[in-house]
Amino acid sequence: GIQVEQSPPDLILQEGANSTLRCNFSDSVNNLQWFHQNPWGQLINLFYIPSGTKQNGRLSATTVATERYSLLYISSSQTTDSGVYFCAVVVSSNTGKLIFGQGTTLQVKP
Amino acid sequence: NAGVTQTPKFQVLKTGQSMTLQCAQDMNHNSMYWYRQDPGMGLRLIYYSASEGTTDKGEVPNGYNVSRLNKREFSLRLESAAPSQTSVYFCASNPRRSYNEQFFGPGTRLTVL
Repeated sequence: GIQVEQSPPDLILQEGANSTLRCNFSDSVNNLQWFHQNPWGQLINLFYIPSGTKQNGRLSATTVATERYSLLYISSSQTTDSGVYFCAVVVSSNTGKLIFGQGTTLQVKP
Repeated sequence: NAGVTQTPKFQVLKTGQSMTLQCAQDMNHNSMYWYRQDPGMGLRLIYYSASEGTTDKGEVPNGYNVSRLNKREFSLRLESAAPSQTSVYFCASNPRRSYNEQFFGPGTRLTVL
C-alpha cells in the first residue's frame, strides 16, 4: 500500500521563527489534507490541497503531485501553533479513506 | 451548524463489556468514517459508509460493528471490549467518497481495563 512519510518527526521552535514540514507519498493520490491536532486532541483542518498552492494567514501549503510531495509552511510561529501536524492522502476513489502519516510534533517556545 | 458530533467524550469499560459510540453530522454529507488513533500514531480506518445503507471494512475492523442509521448518523459498536481497543476514536464525514475535504468530530477517548 501507499506509504506516507512526514519529516521532521519532531521540531522545536522559538516563537517568531519560520518552519517547513514535509510530506512524501509513494503513489499517486486523489486528495491530500493537512491537519493540526492541538494539545486537547482536536483535529483541525488546515488545507485540502491535492495540487497547487494555498495560503491561509501565516500558513501556506504546496503540493507537487507529479513529484509526490507536499510542504506546509508556518511563518512567524506562535505558541498556539504547538501540537501535531498530520498529512493524509486519499488513494482510492472507491473508499475515500484517508491514509495518515505519522505526524510532525511541533513545540513553539515563548 | 455543529459539524460532526460524537458521544460520549470519555468512557471507561471493563474487559468484555459492550458499548456503542455515536456520531452525527449536520452537513448533509453522504460518506462517513470511523478511525482510531493510538499513541504516537496517525489515524487508521476501522469502517466507513460511502452512502446511507452501505458499510464497508477499513484497515482494522476486527472487534467492531457499525450501523448507518440514516444519512446523519453512523454508530460504532464494541461487542466485547478488549484492552487492545483502548484508543481515541474519531468519526469523520465528507460530501462524497473522493475529491472532497473530510471533517472530523472531537473524538471519544476510550479506556478498556
